[in-house]
Amino acid sequence: EPEVTQTPSHQVTQMGQEVILRCVPISNHLYFYWYRQILGQKVEFLVSFYNNEISEKSEIFDDQFSVERPDGSNFTLKIRSTKLEDSAMYFCASGVGWQFFGPGTRLTVL
Amino acid sequence: GIQVEQSPPDLILQEGANSTLRCNFSDSVNNLQWFHQNPWGQLINLFYIPSGTKQNGRLSATTVATERYSLLYISSSQTTDSGVYFCAPPGGTSYGKLTFGQGTILTVHP
Repeated sequence: EPEVTQTPSHQVTQMGQEVILRCVPISNHLYFYWYRQILGQKVEFLVSFYNNEISEKSEIFDDQFSVERPDGSNFTLKIRSTKLEDSAMYFCASGVGWQFFGPGTRLTVL
Repeated sequence: GIQVEQSPPDLILQEGANSTLRCNFSDSVNNLQWFHQNPWGQLINLFYIPSGTKQNGRLSATTVATERYSLLYISSSQTTDSGVYFCAPPGGTSYGKLTFGQGTILTVHP
């Protein structure tokens, strides 16, 4: 069964550093998403992406964040200058109606 | 945006017991997903259920869109059912962001 994959599974970084989280969506899906979940809280939407452009973004998704689909398979989330409060689990999802989630990348900012 | 409330917030069961989890939402929706977040943090798709009732093994779900609620039934619970259950309707279009509730934390004791 096809699935969404994410790398790395865990990333530790220093405050102020740039990180890139990678995702490979399910191949025939057209809509891609990033969500995050701070420990103990609910899952929050960050951004959706369709037809090579952002279709919607939340207030969380400020200028520090960017997304890219550099080739036909990968979908990336970049955080330019990480803050302590960016520590969270980041989920990638793809869908054609209902959304399938990857296993997540746990980002720890020290 | 749409508001999502889940109840109860916590539920403790003995193995073999049945339970009903509820999800209320503030606006009409044209689909809704239920997820199980396991102890490793993975979000597992349970149901995509815009309306009506679906069953998958010991789990079933019912969405009554006109009354703005969905129910998840777990029968003969097992310790592996423990975790957090989220409902998530989309905001806006069918392909839009999912808005997650706060979740129900289920603990099943042997």
